[in-house]
Amino acid sequence: SAVISQKPSRDICQRGTSLTIQCQVDSQVTMMFWYRQQPGQSLTLIATANQGSEATYESGFVIDKFPISRPNLTFSTLTVSNMSPEDSSIYLCSVSAPGGNTIYFGEGSWLTVV
Amino acid sequence: TQLLEQSPQFLSIQEGENLTVYCNSSSVFSSLQWYRQEPGEGPVLLVTVVTGGEVKKLKRLTFQFGDARKDSSLHITAAQPGDTGLYLCAADNYGQNFVFGPGTRLSVLP
Repeated sequence: SAVISQKPSRDICQRGTSLTIQCQVDSQVTMMFWYRQQPGQSLTLIATANQGSEATYESGFVIDKFPISRPNLTFSTLTVSNMSPEDSSIYLCSVSAPGGNTIYFGEGSWLTVV
Repeated sequence: TQLLEQSPQFLSIQEGENLTVYCNSSSVFSSLQWYRQEPGEGPVLLVTVVTGGEVKKLKRLTFQFGDARKDSSLHITAAQPGDTGLYLCAADNYGQNFVFGPGTRLSVLP
């Protein structure tokens, strides 16, 4: 399985600010995803990060709020823009294994917005 | 929209007891995964099951994929406090997307 590193692991952010989360994978992967996990909840897919093109967003998520970059096959960033307390969540980077039937997760970035 | 249901939602048991967690859907999936997530960390993959009727064992954990590939179970024998966590099932919808269940939050008391 790929080793997935996320930064920051946790942060406390002021309302109205933006934060960029970085995801680094130790090998080239085709599919990278960003998930959100709100307190006590399961995982919700935000978007698929596409290398060299715009991310594919799920219903309820928009590029202006969650801009995503994927400059190469091992790195992606997710920005949470103009944060509000409702954005307090764990944000998880994940990648698909070769063959595509399993996904692996980073350790997550725990954001608290005050 | 494909949905995965998990039961029970919460489970609190004593160390040494056995338990079973269920993951059910009305849809057929190409494969199904089980993850365990501890507080403040990302989900860690436990197993992937692919074939209908498949049974996989991981130490004290036994995973089964239903014959029709719509449901799965996770059985833990002689639970230990280290088994405490959120257990998530996730299904691969034939490469289109991954669907996650709501999770079962397990607490094993010493």
